[in-house]
Amino acid sequence: DTAVSQTPKYLVTQMGNDKSIKCEQNLGHDTMYWYKQDSKKFLKIMFSYNNKELIINETVPNRFSPKSPDKAHLNLHINSLELGDSAVYFCASSQDPFETYEQYFGPGTRLTVT
Amino acid sequence: TQLLEQSPQFLSIQEGENLTVYCNSSSVFSSLQWYRQEPGEGPVLLVTVVTGGEVKKLKRLTFQFGDARKDSSLHITAAQPGDTGLYLCAGVMDSGYSTLTFGKGTMLLVSP
Repeated sequence: DTAVSQTPKYLVTQMGNDKSIKCEQNLGHDTMYWYKQDSKKFLKIMFSYNNKELIINETVPNRFSPKSPDKAHLNLHINSLELGDSAVYFCASSQDPFETYEQYFGPGTRLTVT
Repeated sequence: TQLLEQSPQFLSIQEGENLTVYCNSSSVFSSLQWYRQEPGEGPVLLVTVVTGGEVKKLKRLTFQFGDARKDSSLHITAAQPGDTGLYLCAGVMDSGYSTLTFGKGTMLLVSP
């Protein structure tokens, strides 16, 4: 019973391509997030959705577009991929964005842009 | 500017040794969390501390939140190889729609 799942686990693609990463949580949480972890393991938030509505959008290039069809799903679409987009992308969810923000992370998607 | 500074960045010890990892900031946090991340996996929540001076124990792990809620420490007693991983602290600065701010992590390697 995977709480937060992501697909694919690995994604290798060329510069200029468009790709999507999917995320699903079965925890019944209201809030979902996308994080980017760089090669130095620094974890930085990209987006946050609460009940399908975007509530946080950090300084992320507009080539990145999140979409939440329902509160259990948050997908990430990336246009015109660049070398610097190579990283591990984590989806996460939390029960209540007003309290302690305890995060439940997915296994990550390792994106390699060549 | 990194809001949460973790030290040390890397720690390599032998099984059975004790260690302490620190998470420091000049900002006040309403709560602070510790996560452990193993290779190829996502971070897993270990503990949340919310009260200044709070101490929580999780088996051989002891977590402390500073009195002023600006810093935290993680102490591991008699480390085991299974403790190997990246330890991340993360804090919440404000209430309402806010976000977690993560430190850069401490990579711990425990050798048999």
